Amino acid sequence: EMQLVQSGAEVKKPGESLKISCKGSGYIFTSFWIAWVRQMPGKGLEWMGIIYPGDSDTRYSPSFQGQVTISADKSINTAYLQWSSLKASDTAMYYCVRRGGGLVLDAFDIWGQGTMVAVSS
Amino acid sequence: EVVLTQSPGTLSLSPGERVTLSCRASQSVSNNYLAWYQQKLGQAPRLLIYGASNRATGIPDRFSGSGSGTDFTLTISRLEPDDFAVYYCQQYGSSPLVTFGGGTKVELK
Repeated sequence: EMQLVQSGAEVKKPGESLKISCKGSGYIFTSFWIAWVRQMPGKGLEWMGIIYPGDSDTRYSPSFQGQVTISADKSINTAYLQWSSLKASDTAMYYCVRRGGGLVLDAFDIWGQGTMVAVSS
Repeated sequence: EVVLTQSPGTLSLSPGERVTLSCRASQSVSNNYLAWYQQKLGQAPRLLIYGASNRATGIPDRFSGSGSGTDFTLTISRLEPDDFAVYYCQQYGSSPLVTFGGGTKVELK
């Protein structure tokens, strides 16, 4: 079964750093782009950026450039999203999702279960 | 950046009704790379439609997508209890840049 499994919920304080993960299985991880999507409480979906695990080519939404870092370790089929200094406004659910390539004309076909990040003093 | 506007914001409907959701783009979506996703409360989104009109694997045929250029529609032919959810459109024609619409909530009347 093709799936993305994300790390568990996090509760952090403002100013702290954080790295969450997304592990792929059931398909060739290095052949598909992985994107990160933010969903703030009660709000819609926002695309943050995307990485190609095969060569770590990474692109960011202008809204998130410089705010987060996306990376991947292809040896363990895992992508990451990290913050160096969290803010209360980073409180949200974060999804990783596979860009499905030619089979679905590059739509986002496999979603992780989400990682809830809560930032509060 | 391509801005997607979904309408209406909320629809209050009964099971069995026909549903039409609209997604309008601020500029033409390249290659009609427009997708629709369903998100139920407390769950991750699920791909319904890709390339404007292609159903994803396992999606019932009561769901259909249509449109091209700047105007797209998701239709549910007969609403079932399992279909009450939020629906998002997404354009990925300007890949790798991607944008989502603000969503339409389909709620029980």
